[in-house]
Order: sequence, then structure tokens, then C-alpha cells
Amino acid sequence: AQSVAQPEDQVNVAEGNPLTVKCTYSVSGNPYLFWYVQYPNRGLQFLLKYITGDNLVKGSYGFEAEFNKSQTSFHLKKPSALVSDSALYFCAVRPQESNYQLIWGAGTKLIIKP
Amino acid sequence: DTEVTQTPKHLVMGMTNKKSLKCEQHMGHRAMYWYKQKAKKPPELMFVYSYEKLSINESVPSRFSPECPNSSLLNLHLHALQPEDSALYLCASSQRTENTEAFFGQGTRLTVV
Repeated sequence: AQSVAQPEDQVNVAEGNPLTVKCTYSVSGNPYLFWYVQYPNRGLQFLLKYITGDNLVKGSYGFEAEFNKSQTSFHLKKPSALVSDSALYFCAVRPQESNYQLIWGAGTKLIIKP
Repeated sequence: DTEVTQTPKHLVMGMTNKKSLKCEQHMGHRAMYWYKQKAKKPPELMFVYSYEKLSINESVPSRFSPECPNSSLLNLHLHALQPEDSALYLCASSQRTENTEAFFGQGTRLTVV
């Protein structure tokens, strides 16, 4: 079965430190990869996507993600965390053969401490 | 305008009520979606509209009835809901269904009493 794993339920980082939120996937072919963020009681906001090309993708709010095909991973990173980055982060994968299907990770709660 | 607007933000309804959720986008997107999200869980796809036609129904109970009056509007009609239907209902849109990112509204927090 196709799946997306976010192995950490919660990640705690001190403000100013680099952060990484992990995502690995088990999807056949060359899927499209996405990161979304959700602030409390809000909808999801698109952060970035990987379709093809450079393995390092830059997105909104200073976030970037690194695609690693051999490890089937798409980890979200930021060089210097802000308290305002505290939110719930979802990794999502669209199988190449699907026109609409998104397979979602369970989400990772990111807490940035001052 | 890069927003998807959903109304109302909050809704409390009884199990015998009929209500509607509304969604609007003016980005020229031709694909629109309804998702259901329980607390701290990923969203679950309910319906997909492509060029104003229902293309995907993810085996959603008939007490949920979607409608797409035009390319900018998407409604979700609710009737005879159950308490377990209480959730955040998210509308989203994308340029097309294939490979483009979706833009989400802020959601409607629905409570069924």
C-alpha cells in the first residue's frame, strides 16, 4: 500500500536553531511531493512542492525541502527557526498516475521555544 | 487574489437541520475540493469537482451533498448529520486536478448536536 510517514509526532526546537521535519514515502514511480502548514484553527497553507529538477526546493517563509530519491525522503528544513513557525506540518504525496489523489502524512507538531 | 473564502467560519446544527457551507475562489481555478479534517489529523478528501462537474466522490454518505453552481463557487449541503460528522470542513482549489498545488480556505468548524 502507498503511504507517507512523518516519524515524529512533535519536534521541539529553540528559536534561532535550524529545524528539520522529516517525511518519507512509499509510492511507486515519480510522485509529486508537497508540504503544507496549518496554524491553530486555520486551514492549510501551501509551503512548497517538488515535481522535478533541483533536489533542493525553496518555499514560503524561508522554508526549503530536500528531495532524496534513493531514500524516498522529502525533509522540510529551515536554517533559523522563529517562534511563529510553531504549527502543524503535513507532508503530502501525489502519485504520478493520479489526477487528484493526495496521500497525507499524519502531521508533525513543530514547537519553537523562545 | 489568492484566497479561498469559506463561510460560515463556525456552524452549530442539530441532527434534523439542513444547512449549507459555501466556498468561493476568484483565481480562475477549475478544480475544487471538499475535505473533512478531524482534530490534529490530516484532511480526508470528500469530493472533487473538475470544470464544474463532480469527478470524484470518495464514498461520502448522502447526507453530504455537493454543488458547484459555477467555476468560482462550491457548496456543501448538509442534512440529517450525526455528531460524528463534527469536524473542520475545508474547501480547496487548484488550477487543474493534475499536479498543481491546492489552495485551502480557512475552513468551517462544524458542530453537530
